[in-house]
Amino acid sequence: GQNIDQPTEMTATEGAIVQINCTYQTSGFNGLFWYQQHAGEAPTFLSYNVLDGLEEKGRFSSFLSRSKGYSYLLLKELQMKDSASYLCAASYNTDKLIFGTGTRLQVFP
Amino acid sequence: DTGVSQDPRHKITKRGQNVTFRCDPISEHNRLYWYRQTLGQGPEFLTYFQNEAQLEKSRLLSDRFSAERPKGSFSTLEIQRTEQGDSAMYLCASSLKLRPWEQYFGPGTRLTVT
Repeated sequence: GQNIDQPTEMTATEGAIVQINCTYQTSGFNGLFWYQQHAGEAPTFLSYNVLDGLEEKGRFSSFLSRSKGYSYLLLKELQMKDSASYLCAASYNTDKLIFGTGTRLQVFP
Repeated sequence: DTGVSQDPRHKITKRGQNVTFRCDPISEHNRLYWYRQTLGQGPEFLTYFQNEAQLEKSRLLSDRFSAERPKGSFSTLEIQRTEQGDSAMYLCASSLKLRPWEQYFGPGTRLTVT
C-alpha cells in the first residue's frame, strides 16, 4: 500500500506558527497535496507539490522532499478559523488521491 | 454557484435496500471522482471517470457498488443491498484533465444504514 502518515491531533495558539508533518511511501510517487476540511464540510484544496522545495501561498506554505518521502504544511499567524482537519494526500502513477487520516488542528485564543 | 453539487445531502435507508446518489461536477471539468469518508478518517478513493469512461475502480469496492457517467456530465453511484458498514459520507470531486491535482469536492451525501 501507500501509507500516508500524519499526526492525529495538534493544538496551537492564535497568532502562532504550526507545522503539520506527513510521510508517504516513495515508490511510484507523483505528487503531494494538502486539503483543509472543516467539521461537517467537504475538503478544500490548499496546495500541490511535485518538485522538492517550499511553495508559499499567503499564510500557508507546503514543503516536499521526494527523496525522504516527507512533506509539511506550515501555517503562520494562526487564526481561530484555521481550526480544522488538514488532510495530506498523495498520487501514485494515476490521478486518484490516497489520503491520510487527517490532522485535527485546534487553535486556542 | 457553479461548484460541485450532490443529491441528496442525507439518506437514511434500511439494510438490504438499494440507494442511488447523484453528482453534478463543475461544468467544464472532464474528470469526476467518487470517495467515501468515515468519521475520523480521510477520504477513501472509490472510482473516477474521464468524460464518460470509468478509468479506475478501487479493489476495495465490492460488486454491490456501481457508478456511471453516461453523458460525461453528471454521475450516479448506486449501492445495492446496503449493509451497515456502508454508512459513510460519499464525496464527489471534479477536476480538469490537465489539472487533476486540483480536485474540487462537493458537499457530500451522508448515508446512514439502519
